[in-house]
Amino acid sequence: EVKLVESGGGLVQPGRSLKLSCAASGFNFNDYWMGWVRQAPGKGLEWIGEINKDSSTINYTPSLKDKFTISRDNAQNTLYLQMSKLGSEDTAIYYCARNLYWGQGVMVTVSS
Amino acid sequence: ETVMTQSPTSMSTSIGERVTLNCKASQSVGINVDWYQQTPGQSPKLLIYGASNRHTGVPDRFTGSGFGRDFTLTISNMEAEDLAVYYCLQYGSIPYTFGAGTKLELK
Repeated sequence: EVKLVESGGGLVQPGRSLKLSCAASGFNFNDYWMGWVRQAPGKGLEWIGEINKDSSTINYTPSLKDKFTISRDNAQNTLYLQMSKLGSEDTAIYYCARNLYWGQGVMVTVSS
Repeated sequence: ETVMTQSPTSMSTSIGERVTLNCKASQSVGINVDWYQQTPGQSPKLLIYGASNRHTGVPDRFTGSGFGRDFTLTISNMEAEDLAVYYCLQYGSIPYTFGAGTKLELK
């Protein structure tokens, strides 16, 4: 069974950084591109970006490219999202995604 | 950036009704479109991938179609559990983009 479990969310102050993790299981992590999607409260879905199998290609939505960094550790079957200079507009549920499968999401709240 | 325009924004439906949701891309995306269903408090669930392929476990009352710029999700026989927000996603060009969603409500 494919499982994607996000962690690392919570309350963070404006201007600070936060790193999310996504633990993958039930499939060969090395064989798949992985990505992140987010959803602000009461809003629609926003694609953040994706990373290829060996981390040689990383694509971002342009508005987040300078704030967010996607990485992966294939030995640990884990995907990461490093977020910096966080603002209230980054308050959202963050989902880890693979082809056809998403995690349940983790909430990030940016507030003083 | 490819803009995905969903219509209608919301729709009032009845149980047993046939429902058609639309998604129009600002440029051709081939068949690289997925449809997601999101009920309140839940994460989005994939219904259709590659424009017309039903994901595992999705009831056959859900049908996707389209190519290029115009895509459709049809629910052949509306059930109460189908009341949700539906999103289309294009992955034919970077950045991938979602439509704003269509909310299905009961009449």
